[in-house]
Amino acid sequence: AQSVTQLDSQVPVFEEAPVELRCNYSSSVSVYLFWYVQYPNQGLQLLLKYLSGSTLVKGINGFEAEFNKSQTSFHLRKPSVHISDTAEYFCAVRDNFGNEKLTFGTGTRLTIIP
Amino acid sequence: DAMVIQNPRYQVTQFGKPVTLSCSQTLNHNVMYWYQQKSSQAPKLLFHYYDKDFNNEADTPDNFQSRRPNTSFCFLDIRSPGLGDAAMYLCATSRGTGRTDTQYFGPGTRLTVL
Repeated sequence: AQSVTQLDSQVPVFEEAPVELRCNYSSSVSVYLFWYVQYPNQGLQLLLKYLSGSTLVKGINGFEAEFNKSQTSFHLRKPSVHISDTAEYFCAVRDNFGNEKLTFGTGTRLTIIP
Repeated sequence: DAMVIQNPRYQVTQFGKPVTLSCSQTLNHNVMYWYQQKSSQAPKLLFHYYDKDFNNEADTPDNFQSRRPNTSFCFLDIRSPGLGDAAMYLCATSRGTGRTDTQYFGPGTRLTVL
């Protein structure tokens, strides 16, 4: 079974500052990793995913994430945030043995300060 | 635009009164999922359909049932809602369960139990 830990429940950041949202996972098998964003009163939207290959993954809205197998991490970064980035961000993991189940972390609420 | 639609967006029911939530999709995806997301928690998979094959998560209470009459529609039935069932219910779809298949989420239905 897999698990996902998002260490920071809330992250306040000034507008135009860089941000890193942390995600660590635990699994006994190889995994696929995802970041989803949830804007207020909306469903989840896929930001980016890591399946294989390059460990640096670029997603939508200027976000990127780096897969680090030795540290079992998949941290999300953006060099300069905007007010519109205010949302809840969820890291998720899925094993690569055909199991379709996504296991989510508890989320990080990103608040952008003008 | 192809999408995942959930109706209603907000649902209020009384303790013990059966309620049905609806999900439809125009993506023609084979797999449809139902997640429960309680306040400040991660989405939790309740069950999913792969075509007509129903897959229940082991810890999903019997109070929760689902129907998928055709490819486009999937329903979540809560037979006797309790106060603890108040949550956001998210529907998602995916083309399949392969490594490149992404889950696409609807906007969710927020259920209030009085």
